[in-house]
Amino acid sequence: GAGVSQSPSNKVTEKGKDVELRCDPISGHTALYWYRQSLGQGLEFLIYFQGNSAPDKSGLPSDRFSAERTGGSVSTLTIQRTQQEDSAVYLCASSLGPEGPLSYEQYFGPGTRLTVT
Amino acid sequence: RKEVEQDPGPFNVPEGATVAFNCTYSNSASQSFFWYRQDCRKEPKLLMSVYSSGNEDGRFTAQLNRASQYISLLIRDSKLSDSATYLCVVKNTNAGKSTFGDGTTLTVKP
Repeated sequence: GAGVSQSPSNKVTEKGKDVELRCDPISGHTALYWYRQSLGQGLEFLIYFQGNSAPDKSGLPSDRFSAERTGGSVSTLTIQRTQQEDSAVYLCASSLGPEGPLSYEQYFGPGTRLTVT
Repeated sequence: RKEVEQDPGPFNVPEGATVAFNCTYSNSASQSFFWYRQDCRKEPKLLMSVYSSGNEDGRFTAQLNRASQYISLLIRDSKLSDSATYLCVVKNTNAGKSTFGDGTTLTVKP
């Protein structure tokens, strides 16, 4: 079946521009996560959505970052006034179920490689 | 101190070797533990969950020590295809955000 998809796969933008990154989770997965990964580094948690609950935004690095999830499915991560330090791979993941063992495995998309020049 | 810390690596081992990775976590309330594998320039994929009693999946064995707050991953009879970065992951509740370690890189050589 279809996995998590992300678009675009690569994005090059100029410093100061806004960008939108899209994530399509696996159908039926109620939990959705955004992470970013800089070269040679681990994954940095950004934001977590679970069903209709208020998202956990505790990982967003600044107010230039925002995300929404429409209809409990597709999510968009927006970065305003991009800076060079925003350059990274942005990974989206989804998992099935609000809690319990079904929530454990996160399925990752291929990521969006963002380069800010 | 990071919430999840892993062996810095890299680990370079010959085929057939046994290699072990450790991971420590700082939050004693952590409830769920996992090992993910990430190949170069690819997304992470779940390798195995880590259960309190320890668990084994073929050549891979995971252990949890709650008292010392660490988990381990043992790989026996290493294969070339085991070369990857291994990420330790901790969740503090059954749902919600996960904290990833920075990963340990393993290279298995012929």
